[in-house]
Amino acid sequence: SQQGEEDPQALSIQEGENATMNCSYKTSINNLQWYRQNSGRGLVHLILIRSNEREKHSGRLRVTLDTSKKSSSLLITASRAADTASYFCATDDWPGTYKYIFGTGTRLKVLA
Amino acid sequence: GAGVSQTPSNKVTEKGKYVELRCDPISGHTALYWYRQSLGQGPEFLIYFQGTGAADDSGLPNDRFFAVRPEGSVSTLKIQRTERGDSAVYLCASSLLGPGEGDTQYFGPGTRLTVL
Repeated sequence: SQQGEEDPQALSIQEGENATMNCSYKTSINNLQWYRQNSGRGLVHLILIRSNEREKHSGRLRVTLDTSKKSSSLLITASRAADTASYFCATDDWPGTYKYIFGTGTRLKVLA
Repeated sequence: GAGVSQTPSNKVTEKGKYVELRCDPISGHTALYWYRQSLGQGPEFLIYFQGTGAADDSGLPNDRFFAVRPEGSVSTLKIQRTERGDSAVYLCASSLLGPGEGDTQYFGPGTRLTVL
């Protein structure tokens, strides 16, 4: 499968610190999305950034996109224990298919 | 409904058996997706419906897997002659419009399938 890659695979930080996760992908995209997953079950959508955007903010989240490098980063500021989860990026492999391709995820642990 | 629901939440079956997994999308959402997620991996695309039709089924691993959405709402993923390698969490998601429109996918809690 053509999954993207997130790095790091795992990240452990103290509460209050910032967490940065990176995502690289392989295809042209229309948009890129970040999701959070707790306990290996349903995913929660966090933020969407379109291919013509370079940066987007939502609360404590900041996402950047560099289409020339086929990469994106997710920054969580002032992390909380409740942010502990796995984080995935997903791209829409545009044009031509309807697949959303997910990366392998970053497992974030925020220590109280 | 309030969100995407999936039933059953857990399914244990024996190798060679047939299983059906059900997804109830958010009311009014035209797009519906099925994914499979193995432990430690990201979700892997299986199939995408736009309305009643499968717009992209290229992720289905083989002909033992089939999915339907006869009335454009509820979808059923069907797996014949299950194998131990089919064990995974099967996730369903729906969105208002579909890929290319940049709309949000809303995921259900998943069905954990275990094939003994």
